[in-house]
Amino acid sequence: QSVLTQPPSVSAAPGQKVTISCSGSTSNIGNNYISWYQQLPGTAPKLLIYENNKRPPGIPDRFSGSKSGTSATLGITGLQTGDEADYYCGTWDSSLSAGHVFGTGTKVTVL
Amino acid sequence: QVQLQESGPGLVKPSETLSLTCAVSGYSITSGYYWDWIRQPPGKGLEWIATIDRSGNTHYNPSLKSRLSVSVDTSKNQFSLKLSSVSAADTAVYYCARSPGSSGWSYYFDKWGQGTLVTVSS
Repeated sequence: QSVLTQPPSVSAAPGQKVTISCSGSTSNIGNNYISWYQQLPGTAPKLLIYENNKRPPGIPDRFSGSKSGTSATLGITGLQTGDEADYYCGTWDSSLSAGHVFGTGTKVTVL
Repeated sequence: QVQLQESGPGLVKPSETLSLTCAVSGYSITSGYYWDWIRQPPGKGLEWIATIDRSGNTHYNPSLKSRLSVSVDTSKNQFSLKLSSVSAADTAVYYCARSPGSSGWSYYFDKWGQGTLVTVSS
């Protein structure tokens, strides 16, 4: 089971904004960088955000990331139908069961 | 352009060993980065499996460690996964990925393969 908790789903109308939270602890989010991934139906995940708030080349600035304490947030503005996907947060967990961990995943629905 | 491609049997019998290979093109494994395996059971979330570097140093998911073996073949620019004593719970889409990292830690996954579905069934 994942140690990072995300809401199962969020939804909004086209053009609106959604935020997705990712909650963890001091052994993971609290002391390590967070990354975010978009997984369109039937495809592999794609890196959206790395090192908390950096976007890889080609990722529009409609996608943004932030971190505070043991939580992180992904924001999507100007929502488009093509944004309908599953979104996962990820980071390293430096506890006794060390390893890379992912969030539970959030389904974004464009109404 | 960096590309990763998984290959291996799509069906494995219970108690047998699952074997997959990830071929990397457009980038030499010897140039750096870490190389990872990640899986996703049908309809479920992502689970990191293991990391390996160009020298063959590995870091395994503690929950799978006793059944795992990951290796790298720099001459073929590929890396491989072996998971023994599989059960239905190991049925998943298996992805290989590239990650920047340090000291055995994968920071994030910037390139992914398309994934391959492995079903464990008799």
